[in-house]
Amino acid sequence: TQLLEQSPQFLSIQEGENLTVYCNSSSVFSSLQWYRQEPGEGPVLLVTVVTGGEVKKLKRLTFQFGDARKDSSLHITAAQPGDTGLYLCAGRPFSGGYNKLIFGAGTRLAVHP
Amino acid sequence: EAGVTQFPSHSVIEKGQTVTLRCDPISGHDNLYWYRRVMGKEIKFLLHFVKESKQDESGMPNNRFLAERTGGTYSTLKVQPAELEDSGVYFCASSRQAGTQETQYFGPGTRLLVL
Repeated sequence: TQLLEQSPQFLSIQEGENLTVYCNSSSVFSSLQWYRQEPGEGPVLLVTVVTGGEVKKLKRLTFQFGDARKDSSLHITAAQPGDTGLYLCAGRPFSGGYNKLIFGAGTRLAVHP
Repeated sequence: EAGVTQFPSHSVIEKGQTVTLRCDPISGHDNLYWYRRVMGKEIKFLLHFVKESKQDESGMPNNRFLAERTGGTYSTLKVQPAELEDSGVYFCASSRQAGTQETQYFGPGTRLLVL
C-alpha cells in the first residue's frame, strides 16, 4: 500500500513567519502535486512537480520534489492570513492505476494577523 | 467554463437506505474520478472512468457501491444499502487528458451522513 505521510497535521503561526510542510513516502511517485482546500470546496491544484530535485515557485510558495521522488516539501515565506487553509499533497504512482492520486492527510494552516 | 458540480451537497440517510450521488464533470473532460474522505482520514481514490468505461475501480470498497457513467457524460455513485462507515465526503474530479501532468478539477463534494 502506497502512503503519503504529511506533517505537521496542524500549524498555527503569526503573520510574517515562515513555515514548511513535509510530505514523505517510502514509495516512488511519477509526479507529486500540492493542493489547497477551502471549507465547503474541493481541492484546488497549486503545482505539479515531476522531476527529482525539481523546485517550483509560486509567489511566496516554494515547492520541492525530492531527488528520489519519494518526498516533497512546501515552504511559505512571510505567511499571510490569506494563506490560511488546508494544504494537501498527492502523488501519482508508477503502477497499479497510475492516473489515481494518493493523498496525504493534509496540513491545516492558520495564520494569525 | 462551469466547474465540476455535485449533487446533492449534503445527504443524511439511515443505515440500510440507498443514496445516489451525482457528478457533472467539466464539459469535454473524458476522465472522471470518484474519491472520498471519511472522518479523520485522507482522501482516497474510488474509481476512474474514461468516457463511459471503468478504467480503474480498485478503490471501490465493496459491492454495495455502484458507479455508472452512461453516455460518458455525468456519473452516479450509488450506495446500497448504506452502512455507518460510509459516512464521509465524496468528491468527484474530472480532467481532459490523463498523464503525469494531468490536472484534476475537483467538485465541492457531497457530504454523506449515515445514521
